[in-house]
Amino acid sequence: DTGVSQNPRHKITKRGQNVTFRCDPISEHNRLYWYRQTLGQGPEFLTYFQNEAQLEKSRLLSDRFSAERPKGSFSTLEIQRTEQGDSAMYLCASSLEVRSSYEQYFGPGTRLTVT
Amino acid sequence: DQQVKQNSPSLSVQEGRISILNCDYTNSMFDYFLWYKKYPAEGPTFLISISSIKDKNEDGRFTVFLNKSAKHLSLHIVPSQPGDSAVYFCAASNFGNEKLTFGTGTRLTIIP
Repeated sequence: DTGVSQNPRHKITKRGQNVTFRCDPISEHNRLYWYRQTLGQGPEFLTYFQNEAQLEKSRLLSDRFSAERPKGSFSTLEIQRTEQGDSAMYLCASSLEVRSSYEQYFGPGTRLTVT
Repeated sequence: DQQVKQNSPSLSVQEGRISILNCDYTNSMFDYFLWYKKYPAEGPTFLISISSIKDKNEDGRFTVFLNKSAKHLSLHIVPSQPGDSAVYFCAASNFGNEKLTFGTGTRLTIIP
């Protein structure tokens, strides 16, 4: 399977703990995105990378959130000192830079539950 | 500020009939629109897209229509099949801003 993969699929953590999620994009895609989805809402943009450079961060991405994409391949999203409000589905997507289209391809997501 | 709106949370359609899902947007800078389909416990799957230079795009059973003056787009599925039952999200983007802005989704149920 050459789609976007995310690990873990589910994470349950206690408030105040740190968590890290991993995303492996489609291999030839140079752009990688993180979104967050809560119940009854559409995905909301968090941040995106072009190769290894983080080019945009949403104001939703508080100081407790950090994302990296070393060497422009896989990416990690870390949440420090988790809060119950961080409970959500965290989605990763990737795309190939093409001027005429903006299709992004999503992974299955990591569901985070903070107790 | 909800820039992309899907005002129908749910829609039920008989198998074989046409399903029409609607989406409105407020940001006139959007120039590219996409529809995604989402099954439970899976990520959104790209269905079809349309650039603002077009008013229609077809791919098999799926057709997207764009009315720029009304800031409205719709997705037509003909004929509807049971496997089409899912949540459908409308999304928008604009050149130079890579993020997608999503609507809140419409749950489509196809009745056999």
